[in-house]
Amino acid sequence: AQTVTQSQPEMSVQEAETVTLSCTYDTSESDYYLFWYKQPPSRQMILVIRQEAYKQQNATENRFSVNFQKAAKSFSLKISDSQLGDAAMYFCAYSGGATNKLIFGTGTLLAVQP
Amino acid sequence: DAGVIQSPRHEVTEMGQEVTLRCKPISGHNSLFWYRQTMMRGLELLIYFNNNVPIDDSGMPEDRFSAKMPNASFSTLKIQPSEPRDSAVYFCASSLVTGPYYEQYFGPGTRLTVT
Repeated sequence: AQTVTQSQPEMSVQEAETVTLSCTYDTSESDYYLFWYKQPPSRQMILVIRQEAYKQQNATENRFSVNFQKAAKSFSLKISDSQLGDAAMYFCAYSGGATNKLIFGTGTLLAVQP
Repeated sequence: DAGVIQSPRHEVTEMGQEVTLRCKPISGHNSLFWYRQTMMRGLELLIYFNNNVPIDDSGMPEDRFSAKMPNASFSTLKIQPSEPRDSAVYFCASSLVTGPYYEQYFGPGTRLTVT
């Protein structure tokens, strides 16, 4: 069975600084996708970034980028120039096989200090 | 597009009562998912539909839970009878087609409290 592990329950970063959130996963599938979702206090789930496992190049979306290490089954999220609006719960998620059901990690609560 | 619509946004009910949560997916989306979020178990998939047909309901906790999708624009998740441990936020999500490439769009969730 596939699993997703986020070992950092909480993180804190100063405004304008950079922070990295960690995620590891386990799967025997060769074709899969990895995601980072943001959940602000409004509880709306927002897709931040997506990585296809077959792509070696790390995905980037503006201030958000990932470090995808396929052999190590590691998928970390880097947030550059942190902003107050980045404060939220961040979930790492996996999807693979023929369906796109998501398997989520337990989340990392990110606080941004002014 | 209005996005995925869920109703009600908040529901408070007493133990033993029937609860029905509703979801309207994004128009044209063929896959619909129900997730539950709790402090203890995090976010977990309950069931998903493809073209209105239930594909995987292995996450449905027990027989008290049932889900239907009578047409492409409407789905319900019913709990009968409800118990305090069912208190959670229930999310509905939809995607264009089945397959991990396709992004899931989440609704705002329904916060259910069972007293």
